[in-house]
Amino acid sequence: NAGVTQTPKFQVLKTGQSMTLQCAQDMNHNSMYWYRQDPGMGLRLIYYSASEGTTDKGEVPNGYNVSRLNKREFSLRLESAAPSQTSVYFCASSEEAGLIFSGANVLTFGAGSRLTVL
Amino acid sequence: AQKITQTQPGMFVQEKEAVTLDCTYDTSDQSYGLFWYKQPSSGEMIFLIYQGSYDEQNATEGRYSLNFQKARKSANLVISASQLGDSAMYFCAMRELGIWPSGSARQLTFGSGTQLTVLP
Repeated sequence: NAGVTQTPKFQVLKTGQSMTLQCAQDMNHNSMYWYRQDPGMGLRLIYYSASEGTTDKGEVPNGYNVSRLNKREFSLRLESAAPSQTSVYFCASSEEAGLIFSGANVLTFGAGSRLTVL
Repeated sequence: AQKITQTQPGMFVQEKEAVTLDCTYDTSDQSYGLFWYKQPSSGEMIFLIYQGSYDEQNATEGRYSLNFQKARKSANLVISASQLGDSAMYFCAMRELGIWPSGSARQLTFGSGTQLTVLP
Protein backbone atom coordinates (compact mmCIF):
# COMPACT_ATOMS: atom_id res chain seq x y z
CA ASN A 1 0.00 0.00 0.00
CA ALA A 2 2.84 2.41 -0.77
CA GLY A 3 0.89 4.78 -3.03
CA VAL A 4 3.29 7.42 -4.35
CA THR A 5 6.93 7.17 -3.33
CA GLN A 6 9.41 10.00 -3.78
CA THR A 7 13.15 9.96 -3.30
CA PRO A 8 15.13 11.57 -1.85
CA LYS A 9 13.21 13.19 1.02
CA PHE A 10 15.92 15.78 1.59
CA GLN A 11 18.70 17.10 -0.62
CA VAL A 12 21.15 19.98 -0.42
CA LEU A 13 22.78 21.13 -3.64
CA LYS A 14 25.23 23.79 -4.63
CA THR A 15 24.34 26.23 -7.37
CA GLY A 16 25.01 24.65 -10.75
CA GLN A 17 24.80 21.04 -9.61
CA SER A 18 22.31 18.67 -11.16
CA MET A 19 20.03 16.14 -9.59
CA THR A 20 17.02 13.97 -10.31
CA LEU A 21 13.98 13.50 -8.11
CA GLN A 22 12.47 10.08 -8.51
CA CYS A 23 8.80 9.25 -8.22
CA ALA A 24 7.00 5.93 -8.48
CA GLN A 25 3.38 4.96 -7.98
CA ASP A 26 1.92 1.49 -7.53
CA MET A 27 -1.75 2.31 -8.12
CA ASN A 28 -1.70 1.75 -11.89
CA HIS A 29 -2.53 5.41 -12.38
CA ASN A 30 -2.26 6.92 -15.82
CA SER A 31 -1.46 10.54 -15.00
CA MET A 32 1.46 11.83 -12.97
CA TYR A 33 2.45 15.31 -11.87
CA TRP A 34 5.26 17.31 -10.32
CA TYR A 35 4.43 20.29 -8.14
CA ARG A 36 6.55 22.65 -6.12
CA GLN A 37 5.42 24.28 -2.89
CA ASP A 38 6.79 27.60 -1.74
CA PRO A 39 5.74 29.54 1.37
CA GLY A 40 2.66 31.67 0.76
CA MET A 41 2.19 30.42 -2.78
CA GLY A 42 0.47 27.08 -2.50
CA LEU A 43 1.42 24.36 -4.96
CA ARG A 44 2.37 25.15 -8.51
CA LEU A 45 2.47 22.64 -11.33
CA ILE A 46 5.86 22.13 -12.95
CA TYR A 47 5.18 19.30 -15.42
CA TYR A 48 2.63 16.59 -15.88
CA SER A 49 2.26 13.40 -17.85
CA ALA A 50 -1.21 12.30 -18.89
CA SER A 51 -0.02 8.90 -20.01
CA GLU A 52 3.13 6.90 -20.59
CA GLY A 53 5.22 8.55 -23.25
CA THR A 54 3.69 12.01 -22.98
CA THR A 55 4.71 15.03 -20.93
CA ASP A 56 3.50 18.62 -20.86
CA LYS A 57 4.56 21.84 -19.24
CA GLY A 58 2.69 23.24 -16.29
CA GLU A 59 2.81 26.69 -14.79
CA VAL A 60 6.51 26.84 -13.83
CA PRO A 61 8.55 24.52 -16.09
CA ASN A 62 11.68 26.63 -16.58
CA GLY A 63 14.83 25.00 -15.25
CA TYR A 64 13.31 21.52 -15.11
CA ASN A 65 13.04 18.46 -17.30
CA VAL A 66 10.96 15.36 -16.81
CA SER A 67 10.91 11.79 -18.00
CA ARG A 68 7.98 9.39 -17.89
CA LEU A 69 10.07 6.27 -17.82
CA ASN A 70 7.11 3.91 -17.78
CA LYS A 71 3.61 3.90 -16.36
CA ARG A 72 4.88 3.74 -12.79
CA GLU A 73 7.75 6.23 -12.81
CA PHE A 74 8.01 9.96 -13.45
CA SER A 75 11.28 11.73 -12.71
CA LEU A 76 12.09 15.41 -12.39
CA ARG A 77 15.56 16.66 -13.28
CA LEU A 78 17.28 19.89 -12.38
CA GLU A 79 20.14 20.29 -14.86
CA SER A 80 21.78 23.31 -13.22
CA ALA A 81 20.27 24.05 -9.84
CA ALA A 82 19.63 27.64 -8.78
CA PRO A 83 18.74 29.06 -5.34
CA SER A 84 15.29 29.94 -6.74
CA GLN A 85 14.64 26.21 -7.00
CA THR A 86 14.84 25.79 -3.24
CA SER A 87 11.43 24.36 -2.48
CA VAL A 88 9.43 21.34 -1.44
CA TYR A 89 8.62 19.14 -4.41
CA PHE A 90 5.60 16.90 -4.58
CA CYS A 91 4.91 14.13 -7.02
CA ALA A 92 1.30 13.09 -7.51
CA SER A 93 -0.68 10.66 -9.59
CA SER A 94 -4.28 10.18 -10.67
CA GLU A 95 -6.29 7.57 -12.44
CA GLU A 96 -7.57 9.74 -15.28
CA ALA A 97 -6.32 9.19 -18.81
CA GLY A 98 -7.04 10.26 -22.34
CA LEU A 99 -10.58 11.17 -23.23
CA ILE A 100 -12.00 9.58 -20.14
CA PHE A 101 -12.31 12.30 -17.59
CA SER A 102 -14.03 12.63 -14.31
CA GLY A 103 -14.55 15.74 -12.34
CA ALA A 104 -13.46 14.06 -9.19
CA ASN A 105 -9.98 13.32 -10.46
CA VAL A 106 -8.37 13.06 -7.07
CA LEU A 107 -4.63 13.37 -6.93
CA THR A 108 -2.67 11.12 -4.61
CA PHE A 109 0.47 12.84 -3.40
CA GLY A 110 3.83 11.60 -2.31
CA ALA A 111 5.34 12.72 0.99
CA GLY A 112 7.40 15.49 -0.61
CA SER A 113 11.09 16.16 -1.21
CA ARG A 114 12.74 19.14 0.44
CA LEU A 115 15.43 20.62 -1.79
CA THR A 116 17.82 23.35 -0.75
CA VAL A 117 20.10 25.00 -3.27
CA LEU A 118 22.96 27.00 -1.78
CA ALA B 1 -6.77 31.63 -16.65
CA GLN B 2 -7.65 29.97 -13.38
CA LYS B 3 -7.21 31.63 -10.07
CA ILE B 4 -7.92 30.53 -6.54
CA THR B 5 -7.97 32.98 -3.66
CA GLN B 6 -7.79 32.08 0.00
CA THR B 7 -7.87 35.33 1.96
CA GLN B 8 -7.29 33.91 5.43
CA PRO B 9 -3.61 33.13 5.99
CA GLY B 10 -4.38 31.89 9.50
CA MET B 11 -7.45 30.93 11.48
CA PHE B 12 -8.05 29.88 15.07
CA VAL B 13 -10.99 27.87 16.36
CA GLN B 14 -11.91 26.39 19.71
CA GLU B 15 -12.10 22.63 19.90
CA LYS B 16 -15.62 21.30 19.17
CA GLU B 17 -16.68 24.48 17.40
CA ALA B 18 -17.35 24.81 13.67
CA VAL B 19 -15.08 26.81 11.37
CA THR B 20 -15.38 28.06 7.80
CA LEU B 21 -12.38 28.42 5.55
CA ASP B 22 -12.94 30.76 2.64
CA CYS B 23 -12.15 30.10 -1.00
CA THR B 24 -13.09 32.09 -4.07
CA TYR B 25 -12.21 31.18 -7.61
CA ASP B 26 -12.13 32.67 -11.03
CA THR B 27 -12.73 30.77 -14.24
CA SER B 28 -14.46 31.36 -17.53
CA ASP B 29 -15.12 27.66 -17.93
CA GLN B 30 -18.60 26.30 -17.22
CA SER B 31 -17.38 22.88 -16.18
CA TYR B 32 -14.93 22.65 -13.35
CA GLY B 33 -14.20 20.81 -10.16
CA LEU B 34 -13.34 22.22 -6.75
CA PHE B 35 -11.23 20.39 -4.20
CA TRP B 36 -9.99 20.82 -0.68
CA TYR B 37 -6.78 19.27 0.55
CA LYS B 38 -5.33 19.15 4.06
CA GLN B 39 -1.63 19.36 4.78
CA PRO B 40 -0.69 18.52 8.38
CA SER B 41 2.68 19.47 9.81
CA SER B 42 4.08 16.15 8.60
CA GLY B 43 3.79 17.51 5.08
CA GLU B 44 1.63 15.07 3.16
CA MET B 45 -1.33 16.28 1.11
CA ILE B 46 -4.63 14.65 2.01
CA PHE B 47 -7.74 14.91 -0.16
CA LEU B 48 -10.81 15.99 1.81
CA ILE B 49 -13.74 16.82 -0.44
CA TYR B 50 -14.80 17.49 -4.03
CA GLN B 51 -17.56 19.59 -5.63
CA GLY B 52 -18.43 19.61 -9.31
CA SER B 53 -19.70 22.81 -10.88
CA TYR B 54 -22.91 21.06 -11.99
CA ASP B 55 -23.56 19.34 -8.69
CA GLU B 56 -26.76 20.72 -7.25
CA GLN B 57 -26.13 19.56 -3.72
CA ASN B 58 -23.29 20.78 -1.56
CA ALA B 59 -20.72 18.06 -1.02
CA THR B 60 -20.33 16.52 2.41
CA GLU B 61 -17.78 14.06 3.77
CA GLY B 62 -18.17 13.32 7.43
CA ARG B 63 -17.38 16.51 9.36
CA TYR B 64 -16.42 18.33 6.17
CA SER B 65 -18.89 20.12 3.96
CA LEU B 66 -18.38 22.43 1.05
CA ASN B 67 -20.53 25.55 0.91
CA PHE B 68 -20.73 26.03 -2.85
CA GLN B 69 -22.12 29.34 -4.11
CA LYS B 70 -21.71 29.27 -7.85
CA ALA B 71 -22.94 32.80 -8.57
CA ARG B 72 -20.44 34.18 -6.06
CA LYS B 73 -17.74 31.79 -7.24
CA SER B 74 -17.04 30.66 -3.73
CA ALA B 75 -16.36 27.20 -2.35
CA ASN B 76 -15.91 27.51 1.38
CA LEU B 77 -14.93 24.54 3.51
CA VAL B 78 -16.89 24.04 6.71
CA ILE B 79 -15.44 21.82 9.41
CA SER B 80 -17.91 20.93 12.11
CA ALA B 81 -16.96 19.94 15.65
CA SER B 82 -13.28 20.81 15.26
CA GLN B 83 -10.73 18.45 16.71
CA LEU B 84 -7.12 19.06 17.69
CA GLY B 85 -6.07 16.84 14.79
CA ASP B 86 -7.68 19.29 12.37
CA SER B 87 -4.82 21.73 12.95
CA ALA B 88 -3.16 21.90 9.55
CA MET B 89 -2.80 23.92 6.39
CA TYR B 90 -5.84 23.72 4.13
CA PHE B 91 -5.70 24.25 0.40
CA CYS B 92 -8.53 24.97 -1.98
CA ALA B 93 -7.94 23.89 -5.57
CA MET B 94 -9.76 24.02 -8.89
CA ARG B 95 -9.58 22.14 -12.14
CA GLU B 96 -11.29 22.89 -15.42
CA LEU B 97 -12.87 19.79 -16.92
CA GLY B 98 -11.60 19.92 -20.44
CA ILE B 99 -11.21 16.99 -22.74
CA TRP B 100 -7.77 15.64 -23.43
CA PRO B 101 -5.56 16.74 -25.09
CA SER B 102 -6.48 20.19 -23.86
CA GLY B 103 -3.50 21.10 -21.74
CA SER B 104 -5.35 23.30 -19.34
CA ALA B 105 -7.63 20.41 -18.41
CA ARG B 106 -4.83 18.76 -16.55
CA GLN B 107 -3.94 21.56 -14.26
CA LEU B 108 -5.11 21.49 -10.69
CA THR B 109 -4.56 25.06 -9.49
CA PHE B 110 -4.10 25.64 -5.77
CA GLY B 111 -4.75 28.60 -3.54
CA SER B 112 -2.11 29.85 -1.11
CA GLY B 113 -3.65 28.00 1.82
CA THR B 114 -5.09 28.74 5.26
CA GLN B 115 -3.29 27.62 8.41
CA LEU B 116 -5.92 26.39 10.86
CA THR B 117 -5.11 26.05 14.53
CA VAL B 118 -7.56 24.28 16.82
CA LEU B 119 -7.29 25.43 20.41
CA PRO B 120 -8.01 23.09 23.36
